[in-house]
Amino acid sequence: GESVGLHLPTLSVQEGDNSIINCAYSNSASDYFIWYKQESGKGPQFIIDIRSNMDKRQGQRVTVLLNKTVKHLSLQIAATQPGDSAVYFCAETGNSGNTPLVFGKGTRLSVIA
Amino acid sequence: DGGITQSPKYLFRKEGQNVTLSCEQNLNHDAMYWYRQDPGQGLRLIYYSQIVNDFQKGDIAEGYSVSREKKESFPLTVTSAQKNPTAFYLCASTRRRDGNGYTFGSGTRLTVV
Repeated sequence: GESVGLHLPTLSVQEGDNSIINCAYSNSASDYFIWYKQESGKGPQFIIDIRSNMDKRQGQRVTVLLNKTVKHLSLQIAATQPGDSAVYFCAETGNSGNTPLVFGKGTRLSVIA
Repeated sequence: DGGITQSPKYLFRKEGQNVTLSCEQNLNHDAMYWYRQDPGQGLRLIYYSQIVNDFQKGDIAEGYSVSREKKESFPLTVTSAQKNPTAFYLCASTRRRDGNGYTFGSGTRLTVV
């Protein structure tokens, strides 16, 4: 999910298909990760989180996978719907008590009806 | 929006003018944060505060100032020293210092005219 210049990477999927959005994080000391959804002109909305002592966590229609070896995070959305169209951000933080969330640059998901 | 109120939603600034963006939360959260978002970009940290009367610079603090006189309030002033202030500004808060469980406001869009 790294962006190039001002252009967000875009993922286009057919309605009903599964979506996979990827994110590479940089800090090996990070131990808490969150996925956010942001619709145009609105604040980010929490989707799902995962701690570093887990490698998978499931929510309603969403799954987050964490691979600490290669510092990679992914968000899987099952049966993608038009309402899922948005920009998705991953964010990371360490549990030191002094580290704010660091956000990735986002991926735009476009659902084709 | 989840107990955080940002105002105004839209703000226009003339060249050389200071403007203040409001952020108020009634979640009894300890920590508050200001992020800036440019079109097609992720969120970049401007300032954050983990306790009343204390705050720290983020990655892009130059041209901005904050105060934290009350737990509920964390206003951001965009000064005339900020040469490119046009952006979407997001305020967030968390209950604990480690940044888990951010709640975001709905944002303020600032435009220089």
